[in-house]
Amino acid sequence: EVQLVQSGAEVKKPGESLKISCEGSGYKFIDYWIGWVRQMPGQGLEWMGSIYPGDSDTRYSPSFQGQVTISVDKSISSTYLQWNSLKASDTAMYYCATNNVWGTYRFDYWGQGTLVTVSS
Amino acid sequence: IVMTQTPLSLPVTPGEPASISCRSSQSLLDSNDGHTYLDWYLQKPGQSPQLLIYLVSNRASGVPDRFSGSGSGTDFTLKISRVEADDAGVYYCMQRIDFPLTFGGGTKVEIK
Repeated sequence: EVQLVQSGAEVKKPGESLKISCEGSGYKFIDYWIGWVRQMPGQGLEWMGSIYPGDSDTRYSPSFQGQVTISVDKSISSTYLQWNSLKASDTAMYYCATNNVWGTYRFDYWGQGTLVTVSS
Repeated sequence: IVMTQTPLSLPVTPGEPASISCRSSQSLLDSNDGHTYLDWYLQKPGQSPQLLIYLVSNRASGVPDRFSGSGSGTDFTLKISRVEADDAGVYYCMQRIDFPLTFGGGTKVEIK
């Protein structure tokens, strides 16, 4: 069974750094694109970027390029979403999502989400 | 690519049909492989989104056959033949023919 398990909720102050994680299991992690999706409070879904664990090829949405870093650690089947300096506007639920079809960017499987709250 | 969904909100009586429209600002047909890269997702209250339909009309694993997708080019429709209480939530279309991947704004289906 494919599972994506995300790290727990975070409460941070503006200007702080943060790295959240998403661990995949039940499938060959390195073979399938995995994406990150933001959902701000009461709002819709926004694609932030996707990474191919096999070679760390990463694609970012222009809206998030330079604002976050997506990375992967193949050895522990995990992908990460990182901020160097959080803003209050980063308060949101963040989902990782993947699939089991080689070369596709669709999202068959989703993590449970990580709620990030940024407040002074 | 801008994805526009209508309506924003859709109150439906159980057992009645429902239809959601999604339009893209550019064609989602890839002339290289013939696929049209439009998917539908449902986010039930308090849950992560789930894939319903991929490549316009293919139901994802476990999705009931009362859900169907159709369309081509830039105009797409998700239909529920007979709405059930469990179908409540926000439905999103998403294009993945080009980066950045983009979602529609969502349609909230409310059960009367």
